[in-house]
Amino acid sequence: DTAVSQTPKYLVTQMGNDKSIKCEQNLGHDTMYWYKQDSKKFLKIMFSYNNKELIINETVPNRFSPKSPDKAHLNLHINSLELGDSAVYFCASSQERAEAFFGQGTRLTVV
Amino acid sequence: AQSVSQHNHHVILSEAASLELGCNYSYGGTVNLFWYVQYPGQHLQLLLKYFSGDPLVKGIKGFEAEFIKSKFSFNLRKPSVQWSDTAEYFCAVIKAAGNKLTFGGGTRVLVKP
Repeated sequence: DTAVSQTPKYLVTQMGNDKSIKCEQNLGHDTMYWYKQDSKKFLKIMFSYNNKELIINETVPNRFSPKSPDKAHLNLHINSLELGDSAVYFCASSQERAEAFFGQGTRLTVV
Repeated sequence: AQSVSQHNHHVILSEAASLELGCNYSYGGTVNLFWYVQYPGQHLQLLLKYFSGDPLVKGIKGFEAEFIKSKFSFNLRKPSVQWSDTAEYFCAVIKAAGNKLTFGGGTRVLVKP
């Protein structure tokens, strides 16, 4: 059983399109995150949710909108995709301040 | 603002050599510390963690790390690396009273056979 699962694994789309990435965790964790990993492997936190409530919103363009329908799911919707959005997006979950468990990542390529 | 620094961006070494990767953080309060590994094309996996107690922690695959509070450091070590240790290594910190898990910039380790 996959602890943190993301779909899709790969996403290729044209500039200007809108796309969503889904994330689900079956670990019973309260906290979920979205991270962006750029081509230099730098990991930047985008959002963090705790029990469906947004608690961290880094300086991310408002084209990015997270949604947490319940504490096991955290989806990421991106409007009007730009070339610079190309990256690998990782979802993660943790219980309080313990270690985070990561999904397999979604490689987004905007052409 | 909380930050995490990994001083080595790239490390190249031969099999059986010893490895030490540096990690420093900027926050002065109580923190939880982690090292993660990312093998090529894969997601991040936890190597080891420190919350409290013995500052020398042992993790998986023969890795260990030492927390030195006075130096705000949490360096990762492995006495003898293998080719399969080729990966990106990330240090991460979260405040004991916080919600933000912050990563260092990563260190790419290449082990030559």
